[in-house]
Amino acid sequence: DAGVIQSPRHEVTEMGQEVTLRCKPISGHDYLFWYRQTMMRGLELLIYFNNNVPIDDSGMPEDRFSAKMPNASFSTLKIQPSEPRDSAVYFCASSLRVGVGETQYFGPGTRLLVL
Amino acid sequence: GENVEQHPSTLSVQEGDSAVIKCTYSDSASNYFPWYKQELGKGPQLIIDIRSNVGEKKDQRIAVTLNKTAKHFSLHITETQPEDSAVYFCAAGGGSSNTGKLIFGQGTTLQVKP
Repeated sequence: DAGVIQSPRHEVTEMGQEVTLRCKPISGHDYLFWYRQTMMRGLELLIYFNNNVPIDDSGMPEDRFSAKMPNASFSTLKIQPSEPRDSAVYFCASSLRVGVGETQYFGPGTRLLVL
Repeated sequence: GENVEQHPSTLSVQEGDSAVIKCTYSDSASNYFPWYKQELGKGPQLIIDIRSNVGEKKDQRIAVTLNKTAKHFSLHITETQPEDSAVYFCAAGGGSSNTGKLIFGQGTTLQVKP
């Protein structure tokens, strides 16, 4: 398996623009997680899905952030409008269903810079 | 709420020495404890994990110990090498909510000096 795939790997945009990050989880994994990593706040869970349904979005910073999972093999994290403080590395991770194992496998991340 | 504390935040050792990173968790129902290694410019990668039905697990130069009574677990790296330099994260899962969510520690930056 190719592992978790994220795109783009790098994104530079201007404040106010819409940003869309994409993720393809490992085939067969039922859980998908979106994280944000910064020097100041470390690794923060933003939202996660189980069988394409959002379970916990309490980590989403504000209404400018939204996430969708239209099918088992694709998810998006959208920021609209983007702000400089959104600059961070965004990771997507996936895992098998609870009871089999909870190991999360991370993608390579998207490095976002908002100017 | 659920919380995982990790110490130290930075650790510097000489090549060949041992390194120990410690974590404590708050949810006594947690039963799964993975450790991740994150190299510069990459995503975290699982290096070892332990479940609550065992007290210790070893894989070559790395080992993890778990004390459920005290609610803490540790990562031990022996005979450290420069390529062990990275950020290490502990995590706890399978807690009271049992939702598949992992609670991560704040990370430890390990530097192994040649």
